[in-house]
Amino acid sequence: QLQLQESGPGLVKPSETLSLTCSVSGGSISSSRSYWAWIRQSPGKGLEWIGSIYYSGSTFYKPSLKSRVTISVDTSKSQFSLQLSSVTAADTAVYYCARHKPSVLRYFAWFDPWGQGALVTVSS
Amino acid sequence: DIQMTQSPSSLSASVGDRVTITCQASQDISNYLNWYQQKPGKAPKLLIYDASSLETGVPSRFSGSGSGTDFFFTISSLQPEDIATYYCQQYEDLSLTFGGGTKVEIK
Repeated sequence: QLQLQESGPGLVKPSETLSLTCSVSGGSISSSRSYWAWIRQSPGKGLEWIGSIYYSGSTFYKPSLKSRVTISVDTSKSQFSLQLSSVTAADTAVYYCARHKPSVLRYFAWFDPWGQGALVTVSS
Repeated sequence: DIQMTQSPSSLSASVGDRVTITCQASQDISNYLNWYQQKPGKAPKLLIYDASSLETGVPSRFSGSGSGTDFFFTISSLQPEDIATYYCQQYEDLSLTFGGGTKVEIK
């Protein structure tokens, strides 16, 4: 059974870069037709998709976050990572990683399964 | 971005009641609509994809319908374990937006 687990610092200072890693187990990050996604959830903005990556390194980002987001993949470790630069208090959220599955007509459609989530607080 | 508006934002119903949640898209999204269940302190879980397809292992009391801009999520007989917040999510465009959620409680 595919499982995902987020890891990384729980506290980041304003203007610095948030970095999180998602470890995938129970299946290969390379063998699926799926993309791999980062999603965040904050009280103020609800659930927000951040971006997705294919095992080949191809990425798609939410346009409003694109200038600050980098998602990368390490297939040898079965991991993918998120970097979000120049963070502010508005970036405080629970960050989830998830498999981003395709539908018949779309490369990426629904998120399943999700990791348990990692709370990241932006504060000095 | 496509805006997804859920209603109501919360509801209280009795065990055994039929519960319906509405999700309205700001433009036509065909059937590119998914529904998730999120229990307190847990990650969201996929229940319905493509507006009406039940994910494997999900109880048949959950169902979805609709297309275009108006979508419906129904629990045919509310159970205590269904206490959660439910979200819709569109994938017609790359904004991949979620609704604001509907919190379901037991009366």
